[in-house]
Amino acid sequence: GAGVSQSPRYKVAKRGQDVALRCDPISGHVSLFWYQQALGQGPEFLTYFQNEAQLDKSGLPSDRFFAERPEGSVSTLKIQRTQQEDSAVYLCASTDYPRDEQFFGPGTRLTVL
Amino acid sequence: AQKVTQAQTEISVVEKEDVTLDCVYETRDTTYYLFWYKQPPSGELVFLIRRNSFDEQNEISGRYSWNFQKSTSSFNFTITASQVVDSAVYFCALIPGGGADGLTFGKGTHLIIQP
Repeated sequence: GAGVSQSPRYKVAKRGQDVALRCDPISGHVSLFWYQQALGQGPEFLTYFQNEAQLDKSGLPSDRFFAERPEGSVSTLKIQRTQQEDSAVYLCASTDYPRDEQFFGPGTRLTVL
Repeated sequence: AQKVTQAQTEISVVEKEDVTLDCVYETRDTTYYLFWYKQPPSGELVFLIRRNSFDEQNEISGRYSWNFQKSTSSFNFTITASQVVDSAVYFCALIPGGGADGLTFGKGTHLIIQP
């Protein structure tokens, strides 16, 4: 079966632009996570969904970051008024049970100029 | 809050040598899960192992083995007879048994296997 997919794979934005990053989890996976990975660092947790409910958004760095999963499948991470410090790889992961192995997508590399 | 420390930023060995990647963690939870992931140059994180806090039995999978010691809060990873294809960044991670947290990752160890 298909794994986790993310689009676009690469995104270049000018500072101040809004961007939307898409995640298609593995079909049937209840749990969905977003992570941010800066260059040379480990991934850092941003937010967690169980079905359509956003149960934890404590890792979102500012109110410019917003995530949704309206139908409990596809999720979108939106960043408003992008800043240079937002440049990173954004990873999405899904799993049946949140304490099981998380399956990661290939990531979206965001570069803010 | 959880913390995962991978003190080795980069390790370089010659092919066929054994190599151990260290991982030390901090958590107040009594129930938690530990993971190792591999990130090859292609960038996609690949799951290697999951271990819960109540199972301290060491595990071996082919050339890979893991040593979990709660007494020292360590979960070390050893590759025996390393191969060039093992070259990657390896991450240790932890998630508490309850709540809605995501994985807490270490900063990773870049492993270079030279032919």
